[in-house]
Amino acid sequence: DTAVSQTPKYLVTQMGNDKSIKCEQNLGHDTMYWYKQDSKKFLKIMFSYNNKELIINETVPNRFSPKSPDKAHLNLHINSLELGDSAVYFCASSQGTGGGNYGYTFGSGTRLTVV
Amino acid sequence: GNSVTQMEGPVTLSEEAFLTINCTYTATGYPSLFWYVQYPGEGLQLLLKATKADDKGSNKGFEATYRKETTSFHLEKGSVQVSDSAVYFCALSLRSGYSTLTFGKGTMLLVSP
Repeated sequence: DTAVSQTPKYLVTQMGNDKSIKCEQNLGHDTMYWYKQDSKKFLKIMFSYNNKELIINETVPNRFSPKSPDKAHLNLHINSLELGDSAVYFCASSQGTGGGNYGYTFGSGTRLTVV
Repeated sequence: GNSVTQMEGPVTLSEEAFLTINCTYTATGYPSLFWYVQYPGEGLQLLLKATKADDKGSNKGFEATYRKETTSFHLEKGSVQVSDSAVYFCALSLRSGYSTLTFGKGTMLLVSP
């Protein structure tokens, strides 16, 4: 009965590889997000999707390509991984268009380590 | 743009001490304000929220009041427990249109027995 689930929880890979992270929510929310948390715990929005449509893309390198096959799923594919991509990536979802009174529900995160 | 400023941590307290974590914000419109908590190795959980000026959000003994005149949303708890040790994030989102949560940098709280 997990609300927002991400897989995998841990990902260790070599520089230059391509990897994907999957996210699914069973809350019936309209909007999904990817956030990146760096080693100092700072959280930065990467992408936001509303009903499968890309709404916000916050100057993320084009090696990062999100894909939303339906409004319950938002996946993140990363090409040519670099050391600086090492971080914890959080998926989240919310009702509405992301603003207003609605809080977000977060997944438990994917810790990506690039070696 | 929108931004959130939190006091730097870590904040170190003994059990049953009083907690205050300061949070101030700037916003281009009328924001809703949130506090999230992140326990070690976990995702973020919504702790409390307030959606208009003078609203008080509360949950699990934590409180925060939306102060528009000082653009602040300070988190307080009267008596902390060891289990409150976590990172606390203040955040805002605008109340209309497409918006996302803008977070502060987080404040680590360490409570010792």
